[in-house]
Amino acid sequence: QVQLVQSGAEVKKPGASVKVSCRASGFTLTDHFIHWVRQAPGQGLQWMGIINPTGGSTNYAQRLQGRLAMTRDTSTSTVYMELSSLRSEDTAVYYCAFGSGIFRDAFDIWGQGTMVTVSS
Amino acid sequence: QSVLTQPPSVSGAPGQRVTISCTGSFSNVGAAYGVHWYQQVPGTAPKLLVYGDNHRPSGVPDRFSASKSGTSASLAITGLQAEDEATYYCQSHDSSLSGSVFGGGTKLTVL
Repeated sequence: QVQLVQSGAEVKKPGASVKVSCRASGFTLTDHFIHWVRQAPGQGLQWMGIINPTGGSTNYAQRLQGRLAMTRDTSTSTVYMELSSLRSEDTAVYYCAFGSGIFRDAFDIWGQGTMVTVSS
Repeated sequence: QSVLTQPPSVSGAPGQRVTISCTGSFSNVGAAYGVHWYQQVPGTAPKLLVYGDNHRPSGVPDRFSASKSGTSASLAITGLQAEDEATYYCQSHDSSLSGSVFGGGTKLTVL
């Protein structure tokens, strides 16, 4: 079935970088724009950005520009989210998601989430 | 704070009707972009409940309905059930921010 499979939990020190993967299963990665959304413990959802797997173009949330990079590897049907200069406020569950219907930002397919903990 | 404003919490008894509001501006909810709603149970990914202002994906009960007027949207849940206890989020696109925005979430408690 159609699903997004994410990499496992990460623990990083402040100032380090983290790279989370999101692999497409049951569908062609280049058919859909992939979004990343994060959720800090006990907090709401925060949209991070979007990548077009076909050409690799990206659009990032203003507050994360300069620290965020999204890439893709079409040979393995995988997109990556890399966040640098990590701080404690980046501790969150990170999700990849996409909309398979008319509204491409109505996310009906979500990855299982990847917990990233930033701690010294 | 979130670009879209939701009440932090609502509650209702089983069988009752509750509504959750989502207030934005002319650059998001008040624009031509659709408003979408999600249900999230702790420890799980959000689930799409409504898309494009008032459309339900297949499998979502018709107890859930949504509407939009001006710069506000709302989600209504009728015939409240214990399994509806969750946090609900609204979402839209924002032209000023050139990206998606979410509400802060509303925790629904079924009394």
